[in-house]
Amino acid sequence: EIVLTQSPVTLSLSPGERATLSCRASQSVSNFLAWYQQKPGQAPRLIIYNASSRATGIPARFSGSGSGTDFTLTISSLEPEDFAVYYCQQRINWPRTFGQGTKVEIK
Amino acid sequence: EVQLVESGGGLVQPGGSLRLSCAASEFTFSSHAMTWVRQAPGQGLEWVSSISANGDTTYYADSVKGRVTISRDNSKNTLYLQMNRLRVDDTAVYYCAMPGGTGNYHWDYFDYWGQGTLVTVSS
Repeated sequence: EIVLTQSPVTLSLSPGERATLSCRASQSVSNFLAWYQQKPGQAPRLIIYNASSRATGIPARFSGSGSGTDFTLTISSLEPEDFAVYYCQQRINWPRTFGQGTKVEIK
Repeated sequence: EVQLVESGGGLVQPGGSLRLSCAASEFTFSSHAMTWVRQAPGQGLEWVSSISANGDTTYYADSVKGRVTISRDNSKNTLYLQMNRLRVDDTAVYYCAMPGGTGNYHWDYFDYWGQGTLVTVSS
């Protein structure tokens, strides 16, 4: 099973600041990695797929990078609606696995 | 607009059974592989099971293998998750999810999610 480790667990930032989230895989997932955003009481929402492609309707302030085992989700300038929990997920192998999540909270 | 509506959750005693359903509408259900993902209270996401578009291939997480069966009825546009021998640690919100792309074995990321149904296993 591929283990995805996200860091930090919590990121405390102010609106307008840059957020950098990390996801590290226990073995290579090539670029088969996605990022999801989840707000309280809501289902997750796909924001990045194949490591760096934005999903439909996702603003350009969200960007993803990386390949192999190290991946980054960057939010260039945080908007109030971006404060949420973010999960990475791999689809190269079964079982599909998610990271434990990074909470981006308002400082 | 794609709609996925889960139902069937509730309170069940340890060792009991439950069948979850996910009713799909506004898209060609029989063209999409489908997946169940769960989330324990206050915890992260856990993939549970996936099924191909025609139902001939299934995958399960080790944590549920042997206790859970995923199935689908393409004539009814419905996905199911039969859960047996339930344990306290099966307590979670269960989401059905699917990729936007089509294909019997199109095991892609999850573009669409339902709102979830809560399963509580407790005595």
